[in-house]
Amino acid sequence: NAGVTQTPKFQVLKTGQSMTLQCAQDMNHNSMYWYRQDPGMGLRLIYYSASEGTTDKGEVPNGYNVSRLNKREFSLRLESAAPSQTSVYFCASRPEGTLTGEQFFGPGTRLTVL
Amino acid sequence: GENVEQHPSTLSVQEGDSAVIKCTYSDSASNYFPWYKQELGKRPQLIIDIRSNVGEKKDQRIAVTLNKTAKHFSLHITETQPEDSAVYFCAATLNTGGFKTIFGAGTRLFVKA
Repeated sequence: NAGVTQTPKFQVLKTGQSMTLQCAQDMNHNSMYWYRQDPGMGLRLIYYSASEGTTDKGEVPNGYNVSRLNKREFSLRLESAAPSQTSVYFCASRPEGTLTGEQFFGPGTRLTVL
Repeated sequence: GENVEQHPSTLSVQEGDSAVIKCTYSDSASNYFPWYKQELGKRPQLIIDIRSNVGEKKDQRIAVTLNKTAKHFSLHITETQPEDSAVYFCAATLNTGGFKTIFGAGTRLFVKA
């Protein structure tokens, strides 16, 4: 099992460019999440998905869109990148149907917007 | 929506001493409270968790307490070791159909040898 994988690991964008961050999990988890981590700000929830075909806003959704393509994949899109979106982005997934239990995180994508 | 506050932001202890990190949450509907440890450059990993129907849980040197009435919960690490140095995050989870999890801002723990 690869667990949760994210691509790319690093990315540099210019202001106004667009890109999609990819996330996939092979653990058959229903729930998937996107977080951003800024220094001193902890992990802030951008969007989450309870199941294939559903998505919900988290704490900081502005400037982002998501797609739950299938049960395995949950992508995050920046349509017009801004310097304020410079951050480390983590994708996570949770076992099906459980409130408790570990969220499994991917290795992160370090994004810099110039 | 849910808001989680975490204190202190930085904590420095001598090896062998205890460390305590405190969190408060705002939404009384939150019913699951995990704690994650993140080492430098790595992903967060679960170290302990507690459900709202339990007041205390212990796992070796780590314990978590929950006061539902006051809406606060704490992480206790005893006999700290240098390898405990990391950033610790508390979180509160709501069952919204997708188990929405909100994290605190984190505590950077330094354990001095």
